[in-house]
Amino acid sequence: AQSVAQPEDQVNVAEGNPLTVKCTYSVSGNPYLFWYVQYPNRGLQFLLKYITGDNLVKGSYGFEAEFNKSQTSFHLKKPSALVSDSALYFCAVRDMNRDDKIIFGKGTRLHILP
Amino acid sequence: ETGVTQTPRHLVMGMTNKKSLKCEQHLGHNAMYWYKQSAKKPLELMFVYSLEERVENNSVPSRFSPECPNSSHLFLHLHTLQPEDSALYLCASSRNQRTSGANVLTFGAGSRLTVL
Repeated sequence: AQSVAQPEDQVNVAEGNPLTVKCTYSVSGNPYLFWYVQYPNRGLQFLLKYITGDNLVKGSYGFEAEFNKSQTSFHLKKPSALVSDSALYFCAVRDMNRDDKIIFGKGTRLHILP
Repeated sequence: ETGVTQTPRHLVMGMTNKKSLKCEQHLGHNAMYWYKQSAKKPLELMFVYSLEERVENNSVPSRFSPECPNSSHLFLHLHTLQPEDSALYLCASSRNQRTSGANVLTFGAGSRLTVL
């Protein structure tokens, strides 16, 4: 079965420092991978996706993610964190059998410390 | 405002009540979803309506009943719920792109349900 794992419940980063939020996936075949962000009292918002091509994907708000097939990872990164980046981040993968079924991880809470 | 509107935003109900959650999208999407969000758990996909076909997660109890009268509206009917059903229920929509296979979901703000 397809799945994603987010090993960290929470990540703390000082403002201005680079940040990484980890995600590993388990799928058969080539994965379609996503990152979403949830701010307080809001629904999830799409950040970026990987389908094929360049392993470094750029998304909204200065975020990027690196697809690593050998390590089955899709870590979210940003060179310089902002306090406003504090939120809950979800990694997701498309079900290989159904293109309308997106499977999410449990989320990682990111705290940016001023 | 994302274009996906959920009502009510907050709902408190007893275990014997019947209530419904409503979702409406104005994005011209052809697929709609219900997800359940509980703390420190993966988002749980409950139901999908895609191109007029319903995909149902077999592990969803029958006390949750979806209804999709058209491509813009989605309901989740609730009946004799349990306290463990308390959660944030998220509606989402997408344009089902079978050729690219990378549907991006647009979510509503959610309905916070508390079952007493």
